[in-house]
Amino acid sequence: EVQLVESGGLVVQPGGSLRLSCAASGFTFDDYAMHWVRQAPGKGLEWVSLISWDGDSTYYGDSVKGRFTISRDNSKNSLSLQMSSLRVEDTALYYCAKAVYNYYYFMDVWGKGTTVTVSS
Amino acid sequence: DIQMTQSPSSLSASVGDRVTITCRASQSISSSLNWYQQKPGKAPKLLIYTASSLQPGVPSRFSGRRSGTDFTLTISSLQPEDFATYYCQQSYSPPLTFGGGTKVEIK
Repeated sequence: EVQLVESGGLVVQPGGSLRLSCAASGFTFDDYAMHWVRQAPGKGLEWVSLISWDGDSTYYGDSVKGRFTISRDNSKNSLSLQMSSLRVEDTALYYCAKAVYNYYYFMDVWGKGTTVTVSS
Repeated sequence: DIQMTQSPSSLSASVGDRVTITCRASQSISSSLNWYQQKPGKAPKLLIYTASSLQPGVPSRFSGRRSGTDFTLTISSLQPEDFATYYCQQSYSPPLTFGGGTKVEIK
């Protein structure tokens, strides 16, 4: 069974840093691009970041560019999101999602999410 | 960035109704448009990709269509399990963008 399990969500103060992780199983991890997508409480979906299967290409949403860094460790079937200079508006449920094979830009499997709260 | 405008933001419908949701792109995105369904407290689920291709396992009452930069998701006969929020997403180029969502509620 394909599974994505996010972790690392916490309450953090504005300006702080946090690292999210996503453990993947049930598929050949290094064959697929991976995404982070977030959802603020009661709001819609917002795409955050994308990393290619080999980690060589990364893309970011405008609201997080320069503050967040996506990375992956294919030897550990793991995806990460390093978040810095956190703002109140970064408060959200963060989903890890798997891209469709040969289609980088949309997602067919999602985790259950991990909650990040930025508050003083 | 490509903006996705989804309408309506909500609708009320009855079981058996035909429901159509529209998504308009701010520029040409070819057929690079996908639809997701999200139920409360759950992760999104891919329904339709590349405008009109049905994701395996998704009921055939769901269909997608493109007309220029306008895209539609149609549910031919609404079922109780279809009450949810639906999002479009452009996969033409990063930054990827979602529509604002359409909440389908029970009339």
